[in-house]
Amino acid sequence: EVQLLESGGGLVQPGGSLRLSCVGSGFTFSTYAMSWVRQAPGKGLEWVSGISVSGGNTYYADSVKGRFTVSRDNSKNTLFLQLNSLRAEDTAVYHCAKGDSSSIYYGMDVWGQGTTVTVSS
Amino acid sequence: QSVLTQPPSASGTPGQRVTISCSGSSSNIGSNFVYWYQQLPGTAPKLLIYRNNQRPSGVPDRFSGSKSGTSASLAISGLRSEDEADYYCAAWDDTLSGYVFGTGTKVTVL
Repeated sequence: EVQLLESGGGLVQPGGSLRLSCVGSGFTFSTYAMSWVRQAPGKGLEWVSGISVSGGNTYYADSVKGRFTVSRDNSKNTLFLQLNSLRAEDTAVYHCAKGDSSSIYYGMDVWGQGTTVTVSS
Repeated sequence: QSVLTQPPSASGTPGQRVTISCSGSSSNIGSNFVYWYQQLPGTAPKLLIYRNNQRPSGVPDRFSGSKSGTSASLAISGLRSEDEADYYCAAWDDTLSGYVFGTGTKVTVL
């Protein structure tokens, strides 16, 4: 069974940092593009960032560009998201999502349950 | 900011057919695959339709997807109470170099 398990969320003050992790199992992690998607309380889904199979190509939503950094460690089947300069509007549940294929241009087929990030003083 | 437009709500009685539209542009739906997700309250999104009209194993054939030009649609036939959920369309956007989601549609079974 394909599974994604996120961790690293928590309460952080504005301007602070967090590092989210997502461990994948039940599939060959290194052969799929991966993404992070967030959902603010009571709001819709917002794609945050994506990364190619090798990690050599990364993509970001304009709302997080320059503040967030996505990376992956294929040897540990783990996806990361470094969140810096956090703002109140970054408060959301952050989901890790597995790509449908090796291409980032395809969609996501399996989602983790998410980890909650709350930015507040 | 959602680039794909969906109706905020849709409803029907049990057994009816409900259709949800998703309107985009040539840079997203017009040139890339469309995906549909179902999100039940308090849970993670679940893939319903991939690559425009393909159903993952385990998804009932009551759910079907289609695409024409810069628009796509999700149809739910034989509506059931367990179909009450939020539904989102999504596609890669070549101009933004990122993924875009629809505004979301809440389906209510009357």
